Amino acid sequence: DIVMTQTPLSSPVTLGQPASISCRSSQSLVHSDGNTYLSWLQQRPGQPPRLLIYEISNRFSGVPDRFSGSGAGTEFTLKISRVEAEDVGVYYCMQGTQFPLTFGGGTKVEIK
Amino acid sequence: EVQLVESGGDLVQPGGSLRLSCVVSGFTFRNYPMSWVRQAPGKGLEWVSAISVSGDNTFYPDSVKGRFTISRDNSQSTLYLQMTNLRAEDTAVYYCAKYRREFDYWGQGTLVAVSS
Repeated sequence: DIVMTQTPLSSPVTLGQPASISCRSSQSLVHSDGNTYLSWLQQRPGQPPRLLIYEISNRFSGVPDRFSGSGAGTEFTLKISRVEAEDVGVYYCMQGTQFPLTFGGGTKVEIK
Repeated sequence: EVQLVESGGDLVQPGGSLRLSCVVSGFTFRNYPMSWVRQAPGKGLEWVSAISVSGDNTFYPDSVKGRFTISRDNSQSTLYLQMTNLRAEDTAVYYCAKYRREFDYWGQGTLVAVSS
């Protein structure tokens, strides 16, 4: 199974400042079709998860452009350029390259 | 508007069974693979099962293989999860999700509690 490791566990951020979350996979996420199926999800308190980014860097419909994804192979990053109050929650990376599908343990973003 | 509405969650005794349903609207259900994902109280996300568009192919992690069965009724735009031999560690909110290679739409979830 592919293990997804996120850091940090918690990220206290000042409003308007950037935040960055790292995700590392235990093996390459490059699929045999050439695509890399690494996505990022946001879960606000009391809400279901919501897709933010798919295939490393593609923003899903309706996602603000302050969210961006980057990386390759086994190392990936989610960045929030300027954190807003509505960004508070837990962020998960997830690999869809092979079964079983696996998630990172989550990173909690909170306001200082 | 895409909507996924789960139902069927309940309190059940260890060893018991339960069937979850997820009714979908807002997209052509028969054209997309689907999945179930669960979240234990205060914990992270765990993928539970996936099913192909026809229903011919199903996938499970080892933690539920042999106990859970995913199925779908394309004529009713409904996804199911049959759960048997339930254990305390199956206690979680169960979400259905539209699946490509990522989970792009989620339901609100239904709570399954396994306890005597």
